Amino acid sequence: QVQLQESGPGLVKPSETLSLTCTVSGASISSHYWTWIRQPPGKGLEWIGFIYYSGSTYYNPSLKSRVTISVDTSKNQFFLKLSSVAAADTAVYYCARVEEGTVYWGQGTTVTVSS
Amino acid sequence: DIQMTQSPSSLSASVGDRVTITCRASQSIASYLNWYQQKPGKAPKLLIYAASSLQSGVPSRFSGSGSGTYFTLTINSLQPEDFATYFCQQSYNTPPLTFGGGTKVEIK
Repeated sequence: QVQLQESGPGLVKPSETLSLTCTVSGASISSHYWTWIRQPPGKGLEWIGFIYYSGSTYYNPSLKSRVTISVDTSKNQFFLKLSSVAAADTAVYYCARVEEGTVYWGQGTTVTVSS
Repeated sequence: DIQMTQSPSSLSASVGDRVTITCRASQSIASYLNWYQQKPGKAPKLLIYAASSLQSGVPSRFSGSGSGTYFTLTINSLQPEDFATYFCQQSYNTPPLTFGGGTKVEIK
């Protein structure tokens, strides 16, 4: 059974960089697409970006200037960096596997942007 | 990009009711439509894929239908554990991943 676990700081200061790690178990990261999705409190789901194990990336245009997604196949992990954060970036961040367009989710981690 | 519009945004229903949620795509997506259920504080869970295929382990009271631009999720005989938020998602043209705005099913 494939499992995904997000990790990283739960509190980030405004203007700083949010950094999260997703650790994949039960499957090799060298297949499928991997993605980050976020959900602000009480709101809907916002796709952040994709990465393929080869390193190819696709980002949400609304976040593209601030987002970097990368992968470490040796550790079976992929990563999210979101720069210059503001209060509007407060959300639950999910990492997920995408297989034929269907999303299989991690449990999510809450990130609050506050000084 | 393909836009997904769900309705209603919320509804109140009683245990035992039949509930229908709709999702419309801004262009034809054939049957490339998934439905997810999300309970408070939890990650979304896949219910239906390819518009009408029930994910393994999901109760048969859940069903999906539609193709092209119009889709429905139906819950027959609503159970207490079904009170949650439901999202649709198109898988026709990714990236990007696009989701509907969600439908919150509440207890009447």
